[in-house]
Amino acid sequence: DGGITQSPKYLFRKEGQNVTLSCEQNLNHDAMYWYRQDPGQGLRLIYYSQIVNDFQKGDIAEGYSVSREKKESFPLTVTSAQKNPTAFYLCASTWTINQPQHFGDGTRLSIL
Amino acid sequence: GQQVMQIPQYQHVQEGEDFTTYCNSSTTLSNIQWYKQRPGGHPVFLIQLVKSGEVKKQKRLTFQFGEAKKNSSLHITATQTTDVGTYFCAGVLYNQGGKLIFGQGTELSVKP
Repeated sequence: DGGITQSPKYLFRKEGQNVTLSCEQNLNHDAMYWYRQDPGQGLRLIYYSQIVNDFQKGDIAEGYSVSREKKESFPLTVTSAQKNPTAFYLCASTWTINQPQHFGDGTRLSIL
Repeated sequence: GQQVMQIPQYQHVQEGEDFTTYCNSSTTLSNIQWYKQRPGGHPVFLIQLVKSGEVKKQKRLTFQFGEAKKNSSLHITATQTTDVGTYFCAGVLYNQGGKLIFGQGTELSVKP
């Protein structure tokens, strides 16, 4: 089956620690996205990538970093600079940037 | 930054009642997409509207795009318990490189 796989499903971060969330897709999509979801605030764009080896900041990129070395993979690192990382993180992909997006199941990140 | 406003934030209905959620943008949208997120799940694409004044139907769901392409609505006729979830609109702005801007979502609960 084609789809988007996010791992882990739950993640706990200690103070001062960087953590990396995985996102893999086998849909052959060019564009990939990372969103953060907090209760009552909808989805906010962290980073997006339209093509391999290229990515752009979204609305809330501070404290996060990404890479796009392979078409299938778009990992997100939550750095220690992100002071309020507790949220539900969603990865999505699509053929081109303004087309309907396919979402993974998400990763819930909490602080220990 | 640019925002897409969605109301109401919550809606509680009795099974069989109708439900409507509204989405408004201060600027003209290239197109608008609607997603549904079940409790504990990830957003799933429902429909995309592109043309001014467009109306599309999916069984009991009716989607409208305003004449000025600044607002949209989703109407559900005779709600069922399977309609429970959060409904998001997401607008594509002409001057934002095709990024989706999500509304805050409307959480629908249906009492049997």
